[in-house]
Amino acid sequence: AQSVAQPEDQVNVAEGNPLTVKCTYSVSGNPYLFWYVQYPNRGLQFLLKYITGDNLVKGSYGFEAEFNKSQTSFHLKKPSALVSDSALYFCAVRVISSGSARQLTFGSGTQLTVLP
Amino acid sequence: NAGVTQTPKFRVLKTGQSMTLLCAQDMNHEYMYWYRQDPGMGLRLIHYSVGEGTTAKGEVPDGYNVSRLKKQNFLLGLESAAPSQTSVYFCASSYSTLNTEAFFGQGTRLTVV
Repeated sequence: AQSVAQPEDQVNVAEGNPLTVKCTYSVSGNPYLFWYVQYPNRGLQFLLKYITGDNLVKGSYGFEAEFNKSQTSFHLKKPSALVSDSALYFCAVRVISSGSARQLTFGSGTQLTVLP
Repeated sequence: NAGVTQTPKFRVLKTGQSMTLLCAQDMNHEYMYWYRQDPGMGLRLIHYSVGEGTTAKGEVPDGYNVSRLKKQNFLLGLESAAPSQTSVYFCASSYSTLNTEAFFGQGTRLTVV
């Protein structure tokens, strides 16, 4: 079975500082990995994805994520946080060539708060 | 371009009542999903569909039924609502290629009293 872990329920960072939101995954096979963001009372919005190739993926709003196969991680990063980045962030995984490949499995979410 | 639209946005049900949540997408996506979101538990897959006329169970299917009679619509039914089904429900859709992202609706906040 595939699973995603977001070990931190809450991350606080000062505006202008770099931010990291952690994600690790457990799969049998090669994964497709995704990050989504959810603002209050809204649906999830796609940020970025790792499919293959370069381990550093760039996405919307200045976010990037680094795929690390040996550590089975896909941490979300941003060099300089904005107050408007405050939101709930979800990591998700699909496993290629598995019986459940059509399913997108989500982590439990990390609440990011950027302090002014 | 509406994307994924969920109806209704809010609903309060009494225990034992039934209701249907409607999801409509205008992107010609093959795959559609229903998730529920509960605090500290992320999104859990209830049911999904890989094409018109097909449905499959996800992680937490008990107490729910679904139908996909038309490609653009995916209905989620609660036959006899229970307080444990109080949640925020999200519909999503995607193309059938596995490397594509899913698009989400705005959510339906359901309270069962």
